[in-house]
Amino acid sequence: ETGVTQTPRHLVMGMTNKKSLKCEQHLGHNAMYWYKQSAKKPLELMFVYNFKEQTENNSVPSRFSPECPNSSHLFLHLHTLQPEDSALYLCASSQTGTGANVLTFGAGSRLTVL
Amino acid sequence: RKEVEQDPGPFNVPEGATVAFNCTYSNSASQSFFWYRQDCRKEPKLLMSVYSSGNEDGRFTAQLNRASQYISLLIRDSKLSDSATYLCVVARSSNTGKLIFGQGTTLQVKP
Repeated sequence: ETGVTQTPRHLVMGMTNKKSLKCEQHLGHNAMYWYKQSAKKPLELMFVYNFKEQTENNSVPSRFSPECPNSSHLFLHLHTLQPEDSALYLCASSQTGTGANVLTFGAGSRLTVL
Repeated sequence: RKEVEQDPGPFNVPEGATVAFNCTYSNSASQSFFWYRQDCRKEPKLLMSVYSSGNEDGRFTAQLNRASQYISLLIRDSKLSDSATYLCVVARSSNTGKLIFGQGTTLQVKP
């Protein structure tokens, strides 16, 4: 596998469910990101991890819980979500330092909350 | 006011046309600028960085005007495969990866 891989690609969940999104990168990058893309809205940065340490939480509600066990893997744990959380969740990775602004995105996990 | 503003379009142009997209940003301290491309139901991909001196990559030319806080993308000799949404992207610093995306401008190139 190459690039940034996200699973599952599609997820439907009820408001009381607990699920997780997974992201894996095979690029040797040390920074990983979660972005949210809702219909007709710009991509919104959610979380940033550098060398598996969280360096940014963009005021994301606690029902979204990220986990970064190492520089290659990133998870987004979901619980008691709301219908307005339905969106495309994009994982990205990059180098750190001067290469940090060139992101490679995964294909995304499309989430529907019923 | 959105930090990065783009006309969402859509821009419908015939093959071979020249088309230009504009973008404005509100934070004068922004350091780095990019155009990303997002095909329908796909992830965004970097198209090109944007430099103050202007830069060109084949049929694509990007310009930055820091004084007016304005970024542009010019596509010459449009191809059907150029149909996509073009995202204007700004970074507040040069090395943190914290990107601010515009809503995107949709281009549809017709035969």
